[in-house]
Amino acid sequence: NAGVIQTPRHKVTGKGQEATLWCEPISGHSAVFWYRQTIVQGLEFLTYFRNQAPIDDSGMPKERFSAQMPNQSHSTLKIQSTQPQDSAVYLCASSFSGTGGATEVFFGKGTRLTVV
Amino acid sequence: GDSVTQTEGLVTLTEGLPVMLNCTYQSTYSPFLFWYVQHLNEAPKLLLKSFTDNKRPEHQGFHATLHKSSSSFHLQKSSAQLSDSALYYCADYGSSGNKLIFGIGTLLSVKP
Repeated sequence: NAGVIQTPRHKVTGKGQEATLWCEPISGHSAVFWYRQTIVQGLEFLTYFRNQAPIDDSGMPKERFSAQMPNQSHSTLKIQSTQPQDSAVYLCASSFSGTGGATEVFFGKGTRLTVV
Repeated sequence: GDSVTQTEGLVTLTEGLPVMLNCTYQSTYSPFLFWYVQHLNEAPKLLLKSFTDNKRPEHQGFHATLHKSSSSFHLQKSSAQLSDSALYYCADYGSSGNKLIFGIGTLLSVKP
């Protein structure tokens, strides 16, 4: 079990360019989460899929951020017209069921996005 | 709304001294509390979890007791080790029940 895999590990984009981040959840996990990690805000929830369906995107900035899960083996987070304030580590995570309680959430190592 | 508060951004300790990292929460429904640890360039990993009032789970020398009366889930260890240096996050599932709500994190730095 390789765990949650995120690619690329580092990405540098110019201001105004598009960035696409990839996530491969653990096989068999039905829930996939995206978080943004910064020193100031800590781990901020962005969005959540269960069985590939979007369930909760309450943390997503509405205008430039979008996430998809076209199949059970990968999810993407796309940021259009990137801005310097988008610079952060973006973490993907997965779990068996996505419901609360005892369900453990497993994280990937993240993609460090730098917008210059 | 639901939230998790970690009051210390940085805790610096000498090896061998006790560790206590604070965590308090506001939860509309019954809380499910977690501590995650993230070492440098690694993924956050589950350290402890608790859903039961006044129960004390332990792992790798760390323990935390959920006290619903004070809405707290402080992380403790009797003797810090150099390898404990990491970023520690407290989290709660909150009323949504389907996503973890994290605190801002506490960076623990253990020095010889």
